[in-house]
Amino acid sequence: GIQVEQSPPDLILQEGANSTLRCNFSDSVNNLQWFHQNPWGQLINLFYIPSGTKQNGRLSATTVATERYSLLYISSSQTTDSGVYFCAVGGLRWTSGSRLTFGEGTQLTVNP
Amino acid sequence: KAGVTQTPRYLIKTRGQQVTLSCSPISGHRSVSWYQQTPGQGLQFLFEYFSETQRNKGNFPGRFSGRQFSNSRSEMNVSTLELGDSALYLCASSPWDRVTDTQYFGPGTRLTVL
Repeated sequence: GIQVEQSPPDLILQEGANSTLRCNFSDSVNNLQWFHQNPWGQLINLFYIPSGTKQNGRLSATTVATERYSLLYISSSQTTDSGVYFCAVGGLRWTSGSRLTFGEGTQLTVNP
Repeated sequence: KAGVTQTPRYLIKTRGQQVTLSCSPISGHRSVSWYQQTPGQGLQFLFEYFSETQRNKGNFPGRFSGRQFSNSRSEMNVSTLELGDSALYLCASSPWDRVTDTQYFGPGTRLTVL
């Protein structure tokens, strides 16, 4: 199956700093999503981005499907950005359905 | 639209018992998937249902089963609970249309097996 690797595993920042999280995947994908897991465990959708670039406020993401990686950028970080960020990928629709394979996550801590 | 809902939110069971968890997808979504999250194994896919049929299954023992009803609501069942089944169980729904495969997750059910 598809392998997903996220880096770095842990990241500690001061409020106001910028950061880049990386997701590498081992095969062609039809779906790539970034999530933020809140302290209660819910996965909050950040981006659906199987290819291209998207921006939402201080967050942006880029996926280069041909090179099998995706980047999540967080600018002017805030303490509320703390938590675990997951990258998840889905394979070809007609073989994998809606199945997502998750990376191990990046634990982000933003200090005031 | 209301989001994905899961019940119950918390559950405590003892070894050997069985448990049923419920998931109501976003209105209009036909695909429902289940995931298990543990500190040691991370987030792992359990199974996916689409139009009342299991479309995909992860690498879990037969004690884990599920079903989907005609209104797309889904249940998962774990029989003969083991201590290692303690986990956060997450349900996701997707419209499964031509435009997007975006998965939307519910708040999860936290199961503790004693």
